Amino acid sequence: RKEVEQDPGPFNVPEGATVAFNCTYSNSASQSFFWYRQDCRKEPKLLMSVYSSGNEDGRFTAQLNRASQYISLLIRDSKLSDSATYLCVSPSGSARQLTFGSGTQLTVLP
Amino acid sequence: ETGVTQSPTHLIKTRGQQVTLRCSSQSGHNTVSWYQQALGQGPQFIFQYYREEENGRGNFPPRFSGLQFPNYSSELNVNALELDDSALYLCASSLTDTSGYTFGSGTRLTVV
Repeated sequence: RKEVEQDPGPFNVPEGATVAFNCTYSNSASQSFFWYRQDCRKEPKLLMSVYSSGNEDGRFTAQLNRASQYISLLIRDSKLSDSATYLCVSPSGSARQLTFGSGTQLTVLP
Repeated sequence: ETGVTQSPTHLIKTRGQQVTLRCSSQSGHNTVSWYQQALGQGPQFIFQYYREEENGRGNFPPRFSGLQFPNYSSELNVNALELDDSALYLCASSLTDTSGYTFGSGTRLTVV
């Protein structure tokens, strides 16, 4: 089993829709997580950090369920500019290196 | 605009050759990590340096090596290039391990 697994996608949604991505992790000792977004052929950029039960930033809400070992990202009122690949990330290992999921591709359609 | 810069942006090498990729981290960021991202995959951890010492390594062979310098710059060296080494190589730096990592725009390496 991969350490971090994400919905395979791709997700194609109309503008204004609400979309949710799920991510599961296998290391029960993981304390914090990140969501990164990556535009085509660009570097990943930090979207949100999740340290406790959840975090909200405008249209974006991240939730952490430690009992079930999953993290979710909810995007409300989708914009065309939200089209990107969303990467679920867990710092792990002795060096707290980032372990990435394979990413979920989102396309918001006009 | 990212505070982490990488060079070169693109590179084409022949199988068997050696390559050096460079990264300049944000001032004060003592931790630098290197990642390999194949097409359609998430980035994979190669190794990490903290204050010029390697303090973590992923599942990559010894022909992948690195250096970190006191001026917050670092290098990734790959010897005996293979076709499967073709990927986007990302450098990331961090102030602390809970503050998140800032990535450079990457070097796209093609091995032919």
